[in-house]
Parts: sequence; structure tokens; C-alpha cells
Amino acid sequence: GQSLEQPSEVTAVEGAIVQINCTYQTSGFYGLSWYQQHDGGAPTFLSYNALDGLEETGRFSSFLSRSDSYGYLLLQELQMKDSASYFCAVRGTDSWGKLQFGAGTQVVVTP
Amino acid sequence: ETGVTQTPRHLVMGMTNKKSLKCEQHLGHNAMYWYKQSAKKPLELMFVYNFKEQTENNSVPSRFSPECPNSSHLFLHLHTLQPEDSALYLCASSQGDPVDTEAFFGQGTRLTVV
Repeated sequence: GQSLEQPSEVTAVEGAIVQINCTYQTSGFYGLSWYQQHDGGAPTFLSYNALDGLEETGRFSSFLSRSDSYGYLLLQELQMKDSASYFCAVRGTDSWGKLQFGAGTQVVVTP
Repeated sequence: ETGVTQTPRHLVMGMTNKKSLKCEQHLGHNAMYWYKQSAKKPLELMFVYNFKEQTENNSVPSRFSPECPNSSHLFLHLHTLQPEDSALYLCASSQGDPVDTEAFFGQGTRLTVV
């Protein structure tokens, strides 16, 4: 089976940096993804890491360490519009096509 | 617009009703998914279809019945639901390749069972 753990909530001020950690357990592993979901909206894809290291996309970066079964999403220069839920997700090799999500981290950005 | 369209956006139904949720994707993807999202809970995978074949049924009660007539359409048939089934039901699609990296979600159907 698969399980993912991430913090339930993080609060930070505009302009700050936030790191959302995700630890996972899975039998077989293709990669770790991150999704953003605003209230009332659909989850939207942010990033994907298949290999160890840091992937940077604008203000957002994602990191993976396969040996530690650990990854994080880094949000820099926080803006009010970044207030949303952020989910990590893994695609394991035990069930083709199965994308399993963590419980999500609510990020609250304050002025 | 994500290329995945769900209807209806909102649905209120009684416990004895039968209704269906519809999902359509215009992305040429081969895999489609149903997820349930309840407040303060992880997205729960319900069903996966790859190339119209069901490859995952995540211990979902039989009062939920999926149907995938072709790779662009996915239905979730509902009957004799319980109040605890009230949730946001999300449809998603992806390429279907084992290493595909991104799933595209619809806006969801907010279901209330009364």
C-alpha cells in the first residue's frame, strides 16, 4: 500500500518562504507530485520529481530524496493568492495508474 | 479550463434517489479516475480506468457504480446513498502511461445527500 504524511496547516506572511514536507511509504515508486487547490476549485498540477534533487519553477521549487522517501515543496516570495491547500501525491508501481494523495497542507498567507 | 468537464456542479439527492455524475475529457488521455474529497480528509481514490478497463476499485461500496463507455467519458452512478457520502466528487484524467507525471482534474460535483 501507500501512505503519505504532510503537515495540516502552515501560516506565513506575504513575502516569506514556506516549506511543506512530505514523507511517503510505497511499494515501488515512480515519482512525487505536488498539486495546489484553492477553495472551491479543482486541484492543479504544480510539479513532479522522479529523480533526486531540486526542480525549480518560478517561485515554487520541489525537492525529492528517494533514499529518505521524502520530498518538499518550497514556496518563495509568498503572495496572498498562494493561500490554498497543497497536496503531495505518489504514483507507485504496485498498481498501474494509481495516483495516491496526502491529506493536504492548508497554507494561509497573511498581510 | 483544464480540459476535464464535470456535470452537474452541484447535486442534492435523497437517500432513495438514483442519479449519475458525468465526466468528459478532451485531452486524448487514456486513464480516468474518480476521487472523493471530504472535509479535512485526503483525496480518496475510488476508481481507475485505463483504456476503458477498470484497473482499480478501492473498496468502494456497491452503491457507487462506475461506467466508462469510451476513453473520453466516465460516469458515476449513485443509488441509495447515505448522508456520509456527501462530499466533493472529482474526476481526473492522465495519459495512462505508468510514468505519466500529471493528472488533470475537473471542477468536481458537490454532492449533498439528504
